[in-house]
Amino acid sequence: GESVGLHLPTLSVQEGDNSIINCAYSNSASDYFIWYKQESGKGPQFIIDIRSNMDKRQGQRVTVLLNKTVKHLSLQIAATQPGDSAVYFCAENQGTYKYIFGTGTRLKVLA
Amino acid sequence: GAVVSQHPSWVICKSGTSVKIECRSLDFQATTMFWYRQFPKQSLMLMATSNEGSKATYEQGVEKDKFLINHASLTLSTLTVTSAHPEDSSFYICSARDRGVGNYGYTFGSGTRLTVV
Repeated sequence: GESVGLHLPTLSVQEGDNSIINCAYSNSASDYFIWYKQESGKGPQFIIDIRSNMDKRQGQRVTVLLNKTVKHLSLQIAATQPGDSAVYFCAENQGTYKYIFGTGTRLKVLA
Repeated sequence: GAVVSQHPSWVICKSGTSVKIECRSLDFQATTMFWYRQFPKQSLMLMATSNEGSKATYEQGVEKDKFLINHASLTLSTLTVTSAHPEDSSFYICSARDRGVGNYGYTFGSGTRLTVV
């Protein structure tokens, strides 16, 4: 079936640098996307979301970009901090209650 | 904000026994809850959708007789892993939708680490 995938399984960045985590989705009918952060042994935490009628949304230190033409989603984290180290998942909602999660990217912040 | 409590956070059980995991929405009512399974270093896989007052909807390949789901109230859903085997060892996570927020108000529990020995 259709799924959400990620280009990079692991991303290492220097503390203070910006991070960019990418996600590709295949279902053009998806109308809502969420980025989640999951720390080891914990459940996912909501970071930021975006609807399909938008191409950019900003939060505190995070920005989500949506390119519907190429079905690509990205999460940008500004001034990455050690506390940002975690696995990041994108998830798509196709207008139902269900979400499909991507495979995840592990972000490692180097001191 | 919305809080989902999951209990227990970890459990070890013997092969052949059953284990019940609880998912509670603490400060909101949830007509729909979801149960996910996550293997190490892998993504979340939706197992079933739990609907208050009705039968759960299981995803393809998930054995409904093995993973019993009960959603008897607007704040509680339970997942029972029956006759557990070592291959059932995994991280189980629930999420709940705050019906007062709309289709997109989901909150996840902190997960339950199940180890079957």
